[in-house]
Amino acid sequence: KQEVTQIPAALSVPEGENLVLNCSFTDSAIYNLQWFRQDPGKGLTSLLLIQSSQREQTSGRLNASLDKSSGRSTLYIAASQPGDSATYLCAVAADRGSTLGRLYFGRGTQLTVWP
Amino acid sequence: GAVVSQHPSRVICKSGTSVKIECRSLDFQATTMFWYRQFPKQSLMLMATSNEGSKATYEQGVEKDKFLINHASLTLSTLTVTSAHPEDSSFYICSARVSSYNEQFFGPGTRLTVL
Repeated sequence: KQEVTQIPAALSVPEGENLVLNCSFTDSAIYNLQWFRQDPGKGLTSLLLIQSSQREQTSGRLNASLDKSSGRSTLYIAASQPGDSATYLCAVAADRGSTLGRLYFGRGTQLTVWP
Repeated sequence: GAVVSQHPSRVICKSGTSVKIECRSLDFQATTMFWYRQFPKQSLMLMATSNEGSKATYEQGVEKDKFLINHASLTLSTLTVTSAHPEDSSFYICSARVSSYNEQFFGPGTRLTVL
């Protein structure tokens, strides 16, 4: 069974710092990997989706990389801002059989950026 | 595009009552919809997968007679929590996709509180 781990569980930094959030998964047979943002009491906002054939994706100050063979992904946030404070979730989509496309989520990294 | 709505966004009910939550894909036809549950500071746990016109597939440990899922059309799935108890209090999120190889789009979630 696919297991997704996110490190660290929580992170508190001053505004302006560059951040790296880590995600690892146990089964490399994935179709894609997605990073989400979740604000307290809210649903999920998709940030970046990386297909299994890709190495990275960028959107604004966010950059996500994928190393499928080693089962790792990182989310890089440049010049962090207080508005970036949220929980960041990593999810991988299964790539085989009856579970094709099913998402497996990590527990998330709770990020706090203080002014 | 790719908007998923949920209704209601928040519901408070007495123990023993049933609660229905709707999930709608507003601008696309969803062959598959998913229902997740999220407890405080935990990640999303898949409860069930529903395909339009078919019976839902429940994850291990999820009672199908307690959590009734109906996916009657390509744009609507409903989750009914029957005889709700305080331990059913949680954040319920749905997602929808067009096909197995397509991205899942998430609804804003429903906060259920059972007194």
